[in-house]
Amino acid sequence: QQQVKQSPQSLIVQKGGISIINCAYENTAFDYFPWYQQFPGKGPALLIAIRPDVSEKKEGRFTISFNKSAKQFSLHIMDSQPGDSATYFCAAYSGAGSYQLTFGKGTKLSVIP
Amino acid sequence: EAGVAQSPRYKIIEKRQSVAFWCNPISGHATLYWYQQILGQGPKLLIQFQNNGVVDDSQLPKDRFSAERLKGVDSTLKIQPAKLEDSAVYLCASSSTSTFYEQYFGPGTRLTVT
Repeated sequence: QQQVKQSPQSLIVQKGGISIINCAYENTAFDYFPWYQQFPGKGPALLIAIRPDVSEKKEGRFTISFNKSAKQFSLHIMDSQPGDSATYFCAAYSGAGSYQLTFGKGTKLSVIP
Repeated sequence: EAGVAQSPRYKIIEKRQSVAFWCNPISGHATLYWYQQILGQGPKLLIQFQNNGVVDDSQLPKDRFSAERLKGVDSTLKIQPAKLEDSAVYLCASSSTSTFYEQYFGPGTRLTVT
């Protein structure tokens, strides 16, 4: 049973455009929501994260929007660059119980010049 | 600060053979994780260690997979015997005790079972 659903599976964006990746979760015990960026041949790297008591968090060109009532969160990449081309994973963590990260299936982003 | 180290980076074996992967976490990180990442999917946790004790191995196929973390530092993940469906990238990650949720990943070992 997939606990974190991620969409779209792939995304093509023009350079300078906005990339938007969406995730939805079911388990209300999740209390930390990170996004990971993975380049080919590399392990995932923590990009940005948010807690459910905050509706938005911005770090540079990357913004997480969080909707607790809808149990959804999204990653926005402003002014997308070819160097942003990678696979992005949303994840969710529960501090009560398993202390595990549950990952979405990933979105392959391609930013074209 | 050195990151999480893994070896080998690539391994090709035939089905029914055995294979072992090694991981050295970030210095001082008490928690170590092994994940399996099948092509086109997100990482799936196999086992989690806290120091040298197992916290969670509920998703580890124990009939063929085993892992150990002697002395609470390095860890080894073994598969014996390997099946075709074990072809995947095996990722090691670590985190500090105070911030379990900030996990740092190694580059992974790409396993191909033929």
